[in-house]
Amino acid sequence: DGGITQSPKYLFRKEGQNVTLSCEQNLNHDAMYWYRQDPGQGLRLIYYSQIVNDFQKGDIAEGYSVSREKKESFPLTVTSAQKNPTAFYLCAIQAADNQPQHFGDGTRLSIL
Amino acid sequence: GDSVTQMEGPVTLSEEAFLTINCTYTATGYPSLFWYVQYPGEGLQLLLKATKADDKGSNKGFEATYRKETTSFHLEKGSVQVSDSAVYFCALSAATGNQFYFGTGTSLTVIP
Repeated sequence: DGGITQSPKYLFRKEGQNVTLSCEQNLNHDAMYWYRQDPGQGLRLIYYSQIVNDFQKGDIAEGYSVSREKKESFPLTVTSAQKNPTAFYLCAIQAADNQPQHFGDGTRLSIL
Repeated sequence: GDSVTQMEGPVTLSEEAFLTINCTYTATGYPSLFWYVQYPGEGLQLLLKATKADDKGSNKGFEATYRKETTSFHLEKGSVQVSDSAVYFCALSAATGNQFYFGTGTSLTVIP
């Protein structure tokens, strides 16, 4: 979707390494979300943030960390504690309650 | 709690066939309902939405009607094309708060 950018498109992680996925938006939306999608599966919520300097755990937060220092940015760090990080990661934004979420193009993370 | 249930796939249709993908929901109050489409290697794109009972969302020949009495939001298209091959997700935005719920996705393949 226009206005939300995820980078990089592909990312490789070595064992024991932390990696950070970027999500940037220029639509001035308050709410931002991170999802994980495994092959042939639906979406699982990792973390979300409704306001700067505040975020909440989703259903599968273990092994991940986030920050929300600026309204337009919500980076996700996949830590070495996440033992099975290979997946497709999607960032989404939402303007307000009851509004649709809009997604970035995703980052595919693989283990070297 | 709120939830979304959609028919499992995969679904395979011939070009120009009629498509129905069933979606039912459980929610308190009056949620907003959405259909998203995901093409291989991409993020989710909003296909259509409906925000109140009896609303009909439509886009690119796809339609879905918000049925409060049957708690359903089935996706339909009268004549599918090969380019419609994708995964389709039904989703719900809760009436209060900004909780968002996705179905598990239905894979559609259209053959010439």
